Amino acid sequence: QKEVEQDPGPLSVPEGAIVSLNCTYSNSAFQYFMWYRQYSRKGPELLMYTYSSGNKEDGRFTAQVDKSSKYISLFIRDSQPSDSATYLCASGIIFGKGTRLHILP
Amino acid sequence: GAGVSQTPSNKVTEKGKYVELRCDPISGHTALYWYRQSLGQGPEFLIYFQGTGAADDSGLPNDRFFAVRPEGSVSTLKIQRTERGDSAVYLCASSLGSGNEQFFGPGTRLTVL
Repeated sequence: QKEVEQDPGPLSVPEGAIVSLNCTYSNSAFQYFMWYRQYSRKGPELLMYTYSSGNKEDGRFTAQVDKSSKYISLFIRDSQPSDSATYLCASGIIFGKGTRLHILP
Repeated sequence: GAGVSQTPSNKVTEKGKYVELRCDPISGHTALYWYRQSLGQGPEFLIYFQGTGAADDSGLPNDRFFAVRPEGSVSTLKIQRTERGDSAVYLCASSLGSGNEQFFGPGTRLTVL
């Protein structure tokens, strides 16, 4: 079992919608979590870094961590076509495969 | 300030050749990571440096892969006797220390013919 799991998508949503991206993890020792955005042929760009359970907000992005269920989420409000990319969740050095997101104009 | 830089951006080589990939981390970052990413996959951990020493090299796939960071800043990933299966994007990341957020470079796309 891969330690960080993501649905690969693609996920297509209309512009302006709220996007919900999710990951599950298996290792209870994982302490901190990161969300990255990766455009085609570019390196991953850090969006959010969270250490504890609960919510963390930054602009249109909210990261949510539930350590009791080993579930992490990223919400994107007022989605834009420029948000179309692959979103990677990670804990430490362990990355999920990424979810491809398409925002439809 | 300057982010993580990697050179070259693209490298095409022939099977059996030796290649070196370079990473310049963010100034002041003591931790440096190498990952490999294949199409449709997330980054796969290769090796992690804290300062000059390799703190965790458990992700290196075999002894053809080696990395150094002699002065605790720039790092070089070295691949001997390249194979077609080594073709991937090699990503470097740096962080202030272990447990801090990692910042990635643009990657080096390696193609082994």
